[in-house]
Amino acid sequence: AQTVTQSQPEMSVQEAETVTLSCTYDTSESDYYLFWYKQPPSRQMILVIRQEAYKQQNATENRFSVNFQKAAKSFSLKISDSQLGDAAMYFCAISGTYKYIFGTGTRLKVLA
Amino acid sequence: KAGVTQTPRYLIKTRGQQVTLSCSPISGHRSVSWYQQTPGQGLQFLFEYFSETQRNKGNFPGRFSGRQFSNSRSEMNVSTLELGDSALYLCASSGGQNGGELFFGEGSRLTVL
Repeated sequence: AQTVTQSQPEMSVQEAETVTLSCTYDTSESDYYLFWYKQPPSRQMILVIRQEAYKQQNATENRFSVNFQKAAKSFSLKISDSQLGDAAMYFCAISGTYKYIFGTGTRLKVLA
Repeated sequence: KAGVTQTPRYLIKTRGQQVTLSCSPISGHRSVSWYQQTPGQGLQFLFEYFSETQRNKGNFPGRFSGRQFSNSRSEMNVSTLELGDSALYLCASSGGQNGGELFFGEGSRLTVL
């Protein structure tokens, strides 16, 4: 079975600062993908970043980057130069066979 | 291109009733998956459909069922509603390959009284 654990229910960051959201996972599959999704208040969930497990290079999307430690089964998200629009629930997820397993989420607050 | 559309957006039911939720995927997407979102529990996987076939299902009781039509639209049904079924039900569509990006709808918020 696959599991995803997000141990930080809530995080705060000052505008323009950097914040890291933690995620650990467990899987017995050798081929999988990891994701971070963002759910703004009362808005649709959208993909932030995607990592293919067989790729050693960490994925980067503008101000968002991941630290993928495959042996440790860790997949953290770093947000640089935080903006007010980054305030949202962030979910870490792993793909399985025709399904995705999500963590419980981390609520990120951005302080002006 | 239109996004994923879920209807109804909000609904209130009483215990024992049944409910049907609808999801229209992005044009061309053949996979539709359903998730239950509750505070503190994150998103729990319900089931996934591809070309009218259920390919996987989560650990929910048989009261939760779904189907997919030939135009890829999907419905999920919950019978004999319980208070604990109150949640945001999210639908997501994708091309259907493992590891592909999910595109989510805004969800249907169900309140069971």
